[in-house]
Amino acid sequence: AQTVTQSQPEMSVQEAETVTLSCTYDTSESDYYLFWYKQPPSRQMILVIRQEAYKQQNATENRFSVNFQKAAKSFSLKISDSQLGDAAMYFCAYTLPGAGSYQLTFGKGTKLSVIP
Amino acid sequence: DAGVTQSPTHLIKTRGQQVTLRCSPKSGHDTVSWYQQALGQGPQFIFQYYEEEERQRGNFPDRFSGHQFPNYSSELNVNALWLGDSALYLCASSLGLAGVAETQYFGPGTRLLVL
Repeated sequence: AQTVTQSQPEMSVQEAETVTLSCTYDTSESDYYLFWYKQPPSRQMILVIRQEAYKQQNATENRFSVNFQKAAKSFSLKISDSQLGDAAMYFCAYTLPGAGSYQLTFGKGTKLSVIP
Repeated sequence: DAGVTQSPTHLIKTRGQQVTLRCSPKSGHDTVSWYQQALGQGPQFIFQYYEEEERQRGNFPDRFSGHQFPNYSSELNVNALWLGDSALYLCASSLGLAGVAETQYFGPGTRLLVL
């Protein structure tokens, strides 16, 4: 079974600084998808970024970028120029394409605090 | 463009009771997944519905059942509630295309408290 591990239960960052959240996963598959979701206190899970395993290039969305290391099964999220609105729980998630599996497998999350 | 909506937002039940939660998917989506998120944990997959059929199921007992309607909306039913069912229940919608893993978009959730 696939597992996703987020080893940092809590992180903090100064406003305007950069922070990196870690995620590792365990799978025997070669084709899969990885996601970072943000869950603010309002509870709604919001997609931050998505990475397809067969793509070598790391995904980027504005201030958010990932460092995808397939061989190491590592998928970290870098947030640049941190803003107060970035404070939230961040979840790393994994899924397989096609008819084999549709469920998202989530890590336990990292709580990010942004210090003004 | 309406996103994923869920009702109710909060619910309080007592042990042994039954509950029904509702979800309307994002416009254009035909697949609905349900997740249970206990306090301080990541969401756990319950099941997914596509074309009114349960397509995949996580490790949840038969007390958890669901339904998808022709308009793609969905219900999650939980029978014989016990204290451990207290959680945030999240609904996510996506396009059910074969061969790809379409991004799932989440609703705001229903907070269920079982006393």
